[in-house]
Amino acid sequence: QVQLKESGPGLVQPSETLSLTCTVSGFSLTSYSVSWVRQPSGKGPEWMGRMWYDGDTAYNSALKSRLSISRDTSKNQVFLKMNSLQTDDTGTYYCTRDGATEVSWFAYWGQGTLVTVSS
Amino acid sequence: DIVMTQSPTSMSISVGDRVTMNCKASQNVGSNVDWYQQKTGQSPKLLIYKASNRYTGVPDRFTGSGSGTDFTFTISNMQAEDLAVYYCMQSNSYPYTFGAGTKLELK
Repeated sequence: QVQLKESGPGLVQPSETLSLTCTVSGFSLTSYSVSWVRQPSGKGPEWMGRMWYDGDTAYNSALKSRLSISRDTSKNQVFLKMNSLQTDDTGTYYCTRDGATEVSWFAYWGQGTLVTVSS
Repeated sequence: DIVMTQSPTSMSISVGDRVTMNCKASQNVGSNVDWYQQKTGQSPKLLIYKASNRYTGVPDRFTGSGSGTDFTFTISNMQAEDLAVYYCMQSNSYPYTFGAGTKLELK
């Protein structure tokens, strides 16, 4: 079955770089796109960016200067790197999979990983 | 960026009620609106895609409608397990954007 699992540090210092990994199973990263979505506590989600099945990427313009999404298809992993973290980057970070190739709804979600930015 | 405005922010409802909530886009998004349900402590779950299509396994008491800038999500016969926050999201253009949510609470 389709599964996604986020991993990474729970605590990041202000101004440091966040590195998260999404490990997937049950599907191929060359057939489906994976997006990162984050959610501050008590607020609505925010789409951060996407790794398309063909290796192309798309980013939220508000984060583009700080954000990088990459993948390793041999390891079934998608990576998120975001630099210059501030306290308002605190929240739960999810990776998601599209419902089908070339569609944009998020049919599968990981459990999420809580990231706290604090000194 | 396209702003998705959801209303109301919260609703006090009873089991068996018909529940209707709205989502308004700041510009035309066609039918590219999806609805997600998020229960406390859980990841969001896709219920409706492209405005009116029920996702696999979603009960038929959940329906969506609308196009352009105005969208509606309805639960026809509210169940206790439907208590959650509901979000709309537009996927017509980057960046995809979510509404702030409508929270359903028991009366």
